[in-house]
Amino acid sequence: GAVVSQHPSRVICKSGTSVKIECRSLDFQATTMFWYRQFPKQSLMLMATSNEGSKATYEQGVEKDKFLINHASLTLSTLTVTSAHPEDSSFYICSANRGRSTEAFFGQGTRLTVV
Amino acid sequence: QKEVEQNSGPLSVPEGAIASLNCTYSDRGSQSFFWYRQYSGKSPELIMFIYSNGDKEDGRFTAQLNKASQYVSLLIRDSQPSDSATYLCTPRGTSYGKLTFGQGTILTVHP
Repeated sequence: GAVVSQHPSRVICKSGTSVKIECRSLDFQATTMFWYRQFPKQSLMLMATSNEGSKATYEQGVEKDKFLINHASLTLSTLTVTSAHPEDSSFYICSANRGRSTEAFFGQGTRLTVV
Repeated sequence: QKEVEQNSGPLSVPEGAIASLNCTYSDRGSQSFFWYRQYSGKSPELIMFIYSNGDKEDGRFTAQLNKASQYVSLLIRDSQPSDSATYLCTPRGTSYGKLTFGQGTILTVHP
């Protein structure tokens, strides 16, 4: 099956700094990728839809200036958490579809801890 | 009203038993559904995709879809401790890849 690789898998950063998370589709081109966030014991919540070559579409309540998304190529989307605070500590997961395939391929996820 | 409702958990079954996970949905326009499994601290992985009324079997897993009753279920036969995870039911939706997840059902299979 298709592979989506997410990096890093874990990151600890200091409050006020920025963190970049990468999501790569390794064996297919993805014009659209999705970013989710999951707090402990809660469900995955869609944060935004990342569109290659255009602006991301953010879900209601997600601050676009805080969570910067760049989808500069057909195989790479990045999520930058700017001025991170402890409440941003969460599990961030990306996904991508290959063409119009029914299956969403998920990255391994990134555990962000802000101290 | 939530788009999908899953049976409240956690669900605990003994090893070798059948685990039954249920999901009801409110949107009659939903035509197909995914079942994902998520281990603690990991990303979801696809278990089944069902789009036709009736049953779909894949190994120990059987998904059932009843569009008239707006009900979708997942049966796991011969449950194993390795099946212990959170199971997520989600409609495919109109946008490819854009998924909406509920709380899921936590399944524990005890030896």
